[in-house]
Amino acid sequence: GAGVSQSPSNKVTEKGKDVELRCDPISGHTALYWYRQRLGQGLEFLIYFQGNSAPDKSGLPSDRFSAERTGESVSTLTIQRTQQEDSAVYLCASSHHVLAGASYNEQFFGPGTRLTVL
Amino acid sequence: DQQVKQNSPSLSVQEGRISILNCDYTNSMFDYFLWYKKYPAEGPTFLISISSIKDKNEDGRFTVFLNKSAKHLSLHIVPSQPGDSAVYFCAASARGNKLVFGAGTILRVKS
Repeated sequence: GAGVSQSPSNKVTEKGKDVELRCDPISGHTALYWYRQRLGQGLEFLIYFQGNSAPDKSGLPSDRFSAERTGESVSTLTIQRTQQEDSAVYLCASSHHVLAGASYNEQFFGPGTRLTVL
Repeated sequence: DQQVKQNSPSLSVQEGRISILNCDYTNSMFDYFLWYKKYPAEGPTFLISISSIKDKNEDGRFTVFLNKSAKHLSLHIVPSQPGDSAVYFCAASARGNKLVFGAGTILRVKS
């Protein structure tokens, strides 16, 4: 399909293990975002890519979290030494190029990866 | 620090009646506001938006109202249909890129 895809859809891991979550944005979308939603809460911004650069990493909760993007396409969110509080649905979104000072470009979301840390 | 608040965790409405979902914000730098709809096991999908220079935007059965002085916006759905049952998120943006979301309101439309 032409939408944002994420893999895996579900991931169960043990505390202390590392996990990698993948996002394939809509083709041609230069902007990519990672959010997470913990149980009973709203979506929480993590990081934003424009092309392969990340001008805003302000939402990453700790240095255990990192993300990269290659070829202005696929992005990987890595969580090292997972903790139980990392359990959440991790959502990726993409949009067209965001101009400086522009009001908004609609973000299209993937279905998310549900991460459970035991 | 919750910059976007949806104080009603849930709302139940009879089919055919009006659904009103409310959202309050604190950051006066927000210049664009959006409503997203989310079904279980799916990502949020964009529903309707409004720029801070407007006070109303209408799209079919959906209307969003913005009251900047009160830092309040609302989503009206008329008439409500059972297929509208979902979680509705209010979100705001300041000069593009990241969105700040509220916690969501579960809407149940009863037939």
